Amino acid sequence: QVTLKESGPGMLQPSKTLSLTCSFSGFSLSTSGMVVSWIRQPSGKSLEWLAAIDWDGDKYYNPSLKSRLTVSKDTSNTQVFLKITSVDIADTATYYCARRRVYYGYWYFDFWGPGTMVTVSS
Amino acid sequence: NTVMTQSPTSMFISVGDRVTMNCKASQNVGTNVDWYQQKTGQSPKLLIYGASNRYTGVPDRFTGSGSGTDFTLTISNMQAEDLAVYYCLQYNYNPFTFGSGTKLEIK
Repeated sequence: QVTLKESGPGMLQPSKTLSLTCSFSGFSLSTSGMVVSWIRQPSGKSLEWLAAIDWDGDKYYNPSLKSRLTVSKDTSNTQVFLKITSVDIADTATYYCARRRVYYGYWYFDFWGPGTMVTVSS
Repeated sequence: NTVMTQSPTSMFISVGDRVTMNCKASQNVGTNVDWYQQKTGQSPKLLIYGASNRYTGVPDRFTGSGSGTDFTLTISNMQAEDLAVYYCLQYNYNPFTFGSGTKLEIK
């Protein structure tokens, strides 16, 4: 059974670096066609895709945020990390990690974590 | 970025209604569009992938259609448990972009 769960600091100050962890089970990120992505959602607003890392270790970033984002994974392929530098109030959101996989040529996000809320405030 | 414009923003509906919502892409995205359902306080759930393919376990009252720039999600025979916000997503171009959502509310 596939599960993902995000963890983070809850609250941090502007200009700091936000570190998020996605812990998952039920699949291996080393399996071909598997990807873990980060997506965020400010309260009451839509979703924004941030970054992804795939089974080969290739990394993908939203160009509008690329200079501030770093995605990585652990060597056991059970955790994925996201760092966002120089946070400000606009980074306040619920952050989700989600599994993306390919199925007969179709890609989709089939499993999502419950999300972790991050508030940037002084 | 590819802008996904969803309409309407919200709909007031009754149980049993047929509901149609739309998503228009600012450029041709082929059929690389998914639809997700998000209930209050929950993470999004996949309904439709590749514009028209119903995901495993999704009731057949949900139907997706379209290609190119125009996409539609239809719910026939609306049920109370379908009250949610629905988002389209294009993944043809980086960055992936979501629509602003269509919220279904009870009339």
